[in-house]
Amino acid sequence: QKEVEQNSGPLSVPEGAIASLNCTYSDRGSQSFFWYRQYSGKSPELIMFIYSNGDKEDGRFTAQLNKASQYVSLLIRDSQPSDSATYLCAVNFGGSTLGRLYFGRGTQLTVWP
Amino acid sequence: KAGVTQTPRYLIKTRGQQVTLSCSPISGHRSVSWYQQTPGQGLQFLFEYFSETQRNKGNFPGRFSGRQFSNSRSEMNVSTLELGDSALYLCASSLRGGGLGTHHEQFFGPGTRLTVL
Repeated sequence: QKEVEQNSGPLSVPEGAIASLNCTYSDRGSQSFFWYRQYSGKSPELIMFIYSNGDKEDGRFTAQLNKASQYVSLLIRDSQPSDSATYLCAVNFGGSTLGRLYFGRGTQLTVWP
Repeated sequence: KAGVTQTPRYLIKTRGQQVTLSCSPISGHRSVSWYQQTPGQGLQFLFEYFSETQRNKGNFPGRFSGRQFSNSRSEMNVSTLELGDSALYLCASSLRGGGLGTHHEQFFGPGTRLTVL
């Protein structure tokens, strides 16, 4: 059974703080990992992807992957009110399900001024 | 480069009717995946088409079907609509099969909001 779990939140942080979003997945053979941001009433927007163990940084966003622990996280530094959204973790388990992403339920983040 | 487009953006139907939704992927992308998003169930995978062939299918009844054309545009059809089919229907395009270094990132369109009365 392929599953993706996220801490359900909601998560609330003050402006300028670091927001930490976490995700675990069920299959050690998983290939690629994605973070999407979804504003209310909008479609998901891809903000980060990672496929190798370690950290990947892009501006204020850092994705961290630990395949041994089957754990992927997203850190948002210097959080801004505009970061307030639902963050979706998605996994491509590869193999016969290559074209399919499995999504977590999302973590709602609120950044207050 | 233009993004993923979906038409129509909003749709209101009554129970028992059928509906067809359309998706045009990013130019050069050959894979189109469809997802249903509801507050209760989150994002659920419907199916994926690549090179005009269905490659993956989620756990939805046969009322949900799709197809892909030679220009990679895709349509999905829902027959005999039920109240529970009210949802945001999203399509996502991906390079898939783009060779080494392709990690199959999927890019979503704006979605079609379907309301079944």
